[in-house]
Amino acid sequence: DTEVTQTPKHLVMGMTNKKSLKCEQHMGHRAMYWYKQKAKKPPELMFVYSYEKLSINESVPSRFSPECPNSSLLNLHLHALQPEDSALYLCASSPVDMVGRTTQYFGPGTRLTVL
Amino acid sequence: AQSVAQPEDQVNVAEGNPLTVKCTYSVSGNPYLFWYVQYPNRGLQFLLKYITGDNLVKGSYGFEAEFNKSQTSFHLKKPSALVSDSALYFCALTGGSYIPTFGRGTSLIVHP
Repeated sequence: DTEVTQTPKHLVMGMTNKKSLKCEQHMGHRAMYWYKQKAKKPPELMFVYSYEKLSINESVPSRFSPECPNSSLLNLHLHALQPEDSALYLCASSPVDMVGRTTQYFGPGTRLTVL
Repeated sequence: AQSVAQPEDQVNVAEGNPLTVKCTYSVSGNPYLFWYVQYPNRGLQFLLKYITGDNLVKGSYGFEAEFNKSQTSFHLKKPSALVSDSALYFCALTGGSYIPTFGRGTSLIVHP
């Protein structure tokens, strides 16, 4: 199974809502990533988890809160978002044991709209 | 610091013609180079990668890429383009980390 799944596919939320994005993989990858992508732009790295521990936070505002409950699951909790946070949120996973040589596997993304 | 440049925002090619999407890179150590493709409203899909060995790398859907160390390039090619190849293509580089640096992306449009 080489698939990364993400739910929901689409999400519309108001600025006072609390919602969560979910990501799951069963490839045994011990690195998992959240990216934010605007239209026709490259993905921007937000967070990296390595062995279920947060290893990189790219100065992301606290209204985004990641969580890695186990080696297969990655969540992104959203609270008090701004309209400029509207984007495609991508989850990815990869092995960590071959530094620099590893392929990232991406999920289909969650299209988030903040009203 | 490492960087990836994709000099063209958009590449237009007629169906059946060869296509090239350009990528150049800068890194202090060994370059590990990747091409990903993204169809509308989808995640990125891995096409091919260069780690070591043969400079000509073959990947999915008939794509290939040539690693050129002297020109620090890793251009993506296909001998005969299909309309279904129309998508956004990203070149990516990892050096001493497993975190990739992405180029800005090139939109490939294949005309019937």
